[in-house]
Amino acid sequence: SAVISQKPSRDICQRGTSLTIQCQVDSQVTMMFWYRQQPGQSLTLIATANQGSEATYESGFVIDKFPISRPNLTFSTLTVSNMSPEDSSIYLCSVRDRDLRIEEQFFGPGTRLTVL
Amino acid sequence: TQLLEQSPQFLSIQEGENLTVYCNSSSVFSSLQWYRQEPGEGPVLLVTVVTGGEVKKLKRLTFQFGDARKDSSLHITAAQPGDTGLYLCAGDFNSGTYKYIFGTGTRLKVLA
Repeated sequence: SAVISQKPSRDICQRGTSLTIQCQVDSQVTMMFWYRQQPGQSLTLIATANQGSEATYESGFVIDKFPISRPNLTFSTLTVSNMSPEDSSIYLCSVRDRDLRIEEQFFGPGTRLTVL
Repeated sequence: TQLLEQSPQFLSIQEGENLTVYCNSSSVFSSLQWYRQEPGEGPVLLVTVVTGGEVKKLKRLTFQFGDARKDSSLHITAAQPGDTGLYLCAGDFNSGTYKYIFGTGTRLKVLA
């Protein structure tokens, strides 16, 4: 299995500011994903983080609002830009890897964001 | 857009009772997973099913994948308070992108 850490674990931010969330994996992984989980809801996929190229965004999510970086196979960042209270959610990093069982997906503990 | 509907949305039962949670889609999955999530934590993988008709057991939990690979169920026998949590199914629709789409979730509360 892969062990995933996220920083920060939680934050309270002011409207209009930006926050960058870090995701670190203890091994090289092929695929990294970012999800959002709004209060009391299920998980919604934001984007697939691609190493060395632009992230692939799902419908309803755009790069200007959620820029993503993936400089190597163990690290990725998600920035929530120009935040509003509607961005208050838990943001989760997850990974899959072809060298592990490809169908297995592992999650980080999440970053709980509150926007005032 | 693929959708996974889970039912029921909420379930509150007494300790010792049995329950079943359903996950349904109009599309075929190449694989499907069940997760449990507790407050303040990320989802934890319970099982992955990949073959139509497959049944897997994990202690008191029984997972079934539909023959057509469009639906799945999770059955818990003799529920315990420790089973309380958010249960999520997630499907890979074999789009070649390796991304899982999550179901709407079932929030279970087991009362002692």
